[in-house]
Amino acid sequence: EAGVAQSPRYKIIEKRQSVAFWCNPISGHATLYWYQQILGQGPKLLIQFQNNGVVDDSQLPKDRFSAERLKGVDSTLKIQPAKLEDSAVYLCASSRDRDTEAFFGQGTRLTVV
Amino acid sequence: AQKVTQAQTEISVVEKEDVTLDCVYETRDTTYYLFWYKQPPSGELVFLIRRNSFDEQNEISGRYSWNFQKSTSSFNFTITASQVVDSAVYFCALSEGGRNTDKLIFGTGTRLQVFP
Repeated sequence: EAGVAQSPRYKIIEKRQSVAFWCNPISGHATLYWYQQILGQGPKLLIQFQNNGVVDDSQLPKDRFSAERLKGVDSTLKIQPAKLEDSAVYLCASSRDRDTEAFFGQGTRLTVV
Repeated sequence: AQKVTQAQTEISVVEKEDVTLDCVYETRDTTYYLFWYKQPPSGELVFLIRRNSFDEQNEISGRYSWNFQKSTSSFNFTITASQVVDSAVYFCALSEGGRNTDKLIFGTGTRLQVFP
């Protein structure tokens, strides 16, 4: 079974630029999560999808972050415009449903300079 | 409010030593789940275990064991006879709302270095 795929693995941008991350969850997984992991900290949930609907986006900075999962499979997380404090690893995870364990991708390391 | 504390920032041991990683949690929920994840240098979080709040039995899986004590709100993780491949950052996490994976609250992690 293929794992959660994320791209790109690394991205360096200047502040005020835009960036997008892509996630392909494990086939058949209805629930998809985006986490932000700042260096030295544990991951923090940004947004959770159940199929193509948003379950929780209470910690998503909506003035600059957006995410979509239009067909209930792949998802894209966008930052526009980026700030220095957005430098982090962005982890995507998926689970078969809300009652099963989540599997994580390798993440995208974003550096904002 | 839910909170997970991993007081040990970094632990270094020599191969074959036993090591225990501490995790203390806070929650007002009566039903909750606790997790341990391993994060090797490659970056992905690898699921190790989940435990619900009604099951206080200790669990052993090979060299790994977990001690859940509701009375002290702790969920500690022990690696017996550590190996170099165990070197990673280990995260303890708590789920809100009584569901398995909804909104995991992670601790800050413990970096384990196992030297040959």
